[in-house]
Amino acid sequence: NAGVTQTPKFQVLKTGQSMTLQCAQDMNHNSMYWYRQDPGMGLRLIYYSASEGTTDKGEVPNGYNVSRLNKREFSLRLESAAPSQTSVYFCASYGGSGKLFFGSGTQLSVL
Amino acid sequence: ILNVEQSPQSLHVQEGDSTNFTCSFPSSNFYALHWYRWETAKSPEALFVMTLNGDEKKKGRISATLNTKEGYSYLYIKGSQPEDSATYLCASQINTGGFKTIFGAGTRLFVKA
Repeated sequence: NAGVTQTPKFQVLKTGQSMTLQCAQDMNHNSMYWYRQDPGMGLRLIYYSASEGTTDKGEVPNGYNVSRLNKREFSLRLESAAPSQTSVYFCASYGGSGKLFFGSGTQLSVL
Repeated sequence: ILNVEQSPQSLHVQEGDSTNFTCSFPSSNFYALHWYRWETAKSPEALFVMTLNGDEKKKGRISATLNTKEGYSYLYIKGSQPEDSATYLCASQINTGGFKTIFGAGTRLFVKA
């Protein structure tokens, strides 16, 4: 019963490098989300996907791209990482009722 | 873009005190209001999800109320314990064809023994 699986757990990048954060859920949920967590700012929505094939910007989309590859997977890409993108990233999914299910988080440092 | 606001930003209480936090949210296109308990380096833990105006939920010493007409929710903790120390997040969901879910910045609770 995996729920939401998010990889990697930790990553260190140099400024300008690119990387993709992977997220997969096995609950057949339509909605998936990417959030970033910064001290004193709660969780800020980067992008979300209402269903396979659709994505929408959230509160802080600049510097990020996303792909909803299929119903299970929703990836977040940093094309050219910047120190301001140092954060903890959480993926989440939602089935239309009840709570959001969260991944375990990715701690990203951009030097 | 939704504006979900939480107050206070932080709160220091003594063990045994009762406390409450406020979450305000835009009431247009409202779908649901969530409360989560969140400890650093962990994933948020769901407390309550409320959808109807007037909803009240309770789980042990923690309860929550919802007013969708005026756009606010209260979270109450009765007889705070040190283990209640955490950040409490609320999130507002609107249905725009998908469930856009925006979190507030949280209330950081410190309970001193």
